[in-house]
Amino acid sequence: GAVVSQHPSWVICKSGTSVKIECRSLDFQATTMFWYRQFPKQSLMLMATSNEGSKATYEQGVEKDKFLINHASLTLSTLTVTSAHPEDSSFYICSARDRHKGGYTEAFFGQGTRLTVV
Amino acid sequence: QKEVEQDPGPLSVPEGAIVSLNCTYSNSAFQYFMWYRQYSRKGPELLMYTYSSGNKEDGRFTAQVDKSSKYISLFIRDSQPSDSATYLCAMSLNQAGTALIFGKGTTLSVSS
Repeated sequence: GAVVSQHPSWVICKSGTSVKIECRSLDFQATTMFWYRQFPKQSLMLMATSNEGSKATYEQGVEKDKFLINHASLTLSTLTVTSAHPEDSSFYICSARDRHKGGYTEAFFGQGTRLTVV
Repeated sequence: QKEVEQDPGPLSVPEGAIVSLNCTYSNSAFQYFMWYRQYSRKGPELLMYTYSSGNKEDGRFTAQVDKSSKYISLFIRDSQPSDSATYLCAMSLNQAGTALIFGKGTTLSVSS
């Protein structure tokens, strides 16, 4: 089946630094990718929708200047957490759908990135 | 009121039991209903999806959608220890291009 690769799977960074997370669709093209955030024992919360070649659409309450999203190609989207703080520590997950499939298209998820800011 | 409500549990059952997991939702425009399974520190994997109301069966898993009641269910028959995970319901308004709205997830533990 289709695979979405997310890298890194875990990262520890110092407060004030920036961290980039990559999300790649390995065997399909994804016009749209989604970025979610998940706190322990909580649901996946949509942060932003990433559209290839255009600006991302952010959900209410998500700072676009803090969470920079770039979707430069049909197979790659990146999320950069800028000036990270301990409260940004969370599990970040991307997902993508195959643009060539009609009807319902399964959203494939990356394996997630656990970010710890110290 | 959250868009999707799901009892987080935890839910503990013995091996072989029938498990019932449920979600309610408030947005009547949702058309696609999914159940995902998530193991600790992993991304979710799709178990089943249903379009509009109705039942769908896949092996030991049965998904039910009742749009009139805004209620969806996942039944697991003959539960196994390997079914121990967090089960997330998710919904979307339409096809590709629309993000999924997730429930909080129910943690299931099946003991042998």
